[in-house]
Formats: sequence, structure tokens, C-alpha cells
Amino acid sequence: GDSVTQMEGPVTLSEEAFLTINCTYTATGYPSLFWYVQYPGEGLQLLLKATKADDKGSNKGFEATYRKETTSFHLEKGSVQVSDSAVYFCALGYRDDKIIFGKGTRLHILP
Amino acid sequence: DARVTQTPRDKVTEMGQEVTMRCQPILGHNTVFWYRQTMMQGLELLAYFRNRAPLDDSGMPKDRFSAEMPDATLATLKIQPSEPRDSAVYFCASGSPNEQFFGPGTRLTVL
Repeated sequence: GDSVTQMEGPVTLSEEAFLTINCTYTATGYPSLFWYVQYPGEGLQLLLKATKADDKGSNKGFEATYRKETTSFHLEKGSVQVSDSAVYFCALGYRDDKIIFGKGTRLHILP
Repeated sequence: DARVTQTPRDKVTEMGQEVTMRCQPILGHNTVFWYRQTMMQGLELLAYFRNRAPLDDSGMPKDRFSAEMPDATLATLKIQPSEPRDSAVYFCASGSPNEQFFGPGTRLTVL
């Protein structure tokens, strides 16, 4: 079956550091890939998505590229801020169907 | 700005009591999801609906949990009787193709 594996946290970085959160997937079809973010006390919200191989999703300085050859969708940001502290979920899904989430990676950014 | 709403936001109850959580999905979305989030288990899909029909409730304990969509503007998740192990944050999400929009969650504490 389909699944998502992402690096375990917590990840702790200093402000302005470079961020990578690794995510790999197993899929039986051709899913869309997502990164969701959850800030403290809130529900998940979509950060970025990519719907087909080689697509790059980007938002708020975050980027991820859909790599079919390595079945990966790693999240990157060049310079993190304290406000980026949150839990990040990698996920895959098929149009109008359920989304399969990874276990989440907690990110702490120190000022 | 369309949002998923959930009520109540917080619920404290005693073991054995019935709990009903409500969700108003975004108008026009035809899929609705119920999730449970705990520190130990992470984010779990309990059930989901398409066009108000239940598609998958395999993640839900059948003996005490039930989920319904009496109309397109209301989804309910009921626990009867509640147990301390049901303590968690319950999220509702509604979906358009290729994205899910999460509500703010109901924090349930069963004493």
C-alpha cells in the first residue's frame, strides 16, 4: 500500500540556518505530494504541493521537488525564522480521495 | 474567507458519557474527513465521506464511535460511551481535489 516516511524530529536549528526535512514515499499510482504545517494549537494547513513528477512546489520561502526517480519530496528553506517553528507533515494523495500523512517532524528554531 | 468550523473547541467529560463533536465543512466541498491526533499515535484517519456517503471508517472503533453527515453542512462524530483513552484532539477536514482544509480541532479530555 501507499505510505510516507519522513525524518524523525525534533529538528532544532538557529535562525537563518538552512533547513532540509527528508520525505520519501511509496505509491501504487501517480499521487500528488504535499507538505502540511501545523502551528501550536491549530489544525494542519497546506504549505505547498506538487501534482506530478519534476514539479516544484513553493510557498513562504519553502520549496520541495517531486522526484519520481528517488521517490522523494524533501522540504527545504534557505533561511529559517523563529516563526517557522511548527510540525511539518509530508503527505501523498490522489484526486478527491484521502491523503496519507507521514508522522510529522517537529521543528524548533532558536533566536 | 471560507473555513472549516468545529464545535466545541474544548470538551471535558467523565468516562461513560456521550460526546458529540460537530463540523461544518466548506460549502461546495464534497469530501469530509475525521482525524484524531495524539502524542503517541500521531495523526490517525478515523473516517471519511464523499457526497455525504461514508467511504471508509476502518480507522474508527466501531463499538463506541459513529460518524454521520445528516446534511451537506454538518458532519458529526459521536463517542458513546467515552473512555479516558479517547482523550485527543479531533480534527475535521473538508476537501477539494488535491487539498484538504482542516478545522481548528476539538480537544477532548475524558476523566
